[in-house]
Amino acid sequence: HSALTQPASVSGSLGQSITISCTGMITDVGGRHFVSWFQHHPGKAPKLLIFEVSNRPSGLSNRFSGSKSGNTASLTISGLQAEDEADYYCNSYSTSDTLARFYVFGTGTKVTVL
Amino acid sequence: EVQLVESGGGLVQPGGSLRLSCVASGFTVSSNYMSWVRQAPGKGLEWVSLIYSGGSTFYADSVKGRFTISRDIPKNTLYLQMNSLRAEDTAVYYCARDNTDMVTLDYWGQGILVTVSS
Repeated sequence: HSALTQPASVSGSLGQSITISCTGMITDVGGRHFVSWFQHHPGKAPKLLIFEVSNRPSGLSNRFSGSKSGNTASLTISGLQAEDEADYYCNSYSTSDTLARFYVFGTGTKVTVL
Repeated sequence: EVQLVESGGGLVQPGGSLRLSCVASGFTVSSNYMSWVRQAPGKGLEWVSLIYSGGSTFYADSVKGRFTISRDIPKNTLYLQMNSLRAEDTAVYYCARDNTDMVTLDYWGQGILVTVSS
């Protein structure tokens, strides 16, 4: 299973909105409602932002939102803040031919706040 | 508060072995699915292995036959036994709780570096 495709980098100014795409196949992103997004500051633990395409964990800022259309999921960050500068990864749950469960991650997107 | 702390990383020669540990607090490891994920230098995240609460285990093709995931119930600890290590196994390894209700990895450790080099 190949990694999901994300843009290598996205940038935006303080206060702006940006959107990160995550493209997979019908066997993962397109065929399942289990797409998640993670924020990763280097040297720290990855942080869950979105699960099941568009749900936020309790207490997470509503500046982060998720959606999906066909084989492509998207993460939108609104009201961009300096602390949003980080790497972002999508992932999707999938199963193999033997029904083994696994996750496939996106290639990662570096967000720069201008 | 949920917390995951990895240990056991370091420098090992190609062909060598290493065992990573992940001590959990705030929840019971054996009652949850648990995963290992790694990030090679300059690369993205890669799922490595998963253990069900019932004990079934799953592995990425890149580590199948060389890595073994397990847990110690009294110690509330997750392990990853890594054998026949290769240079391409060099990475930061993270343990993560796999939340079956949310179908996602909801809590992660800060990671531990494994370097395979002669």
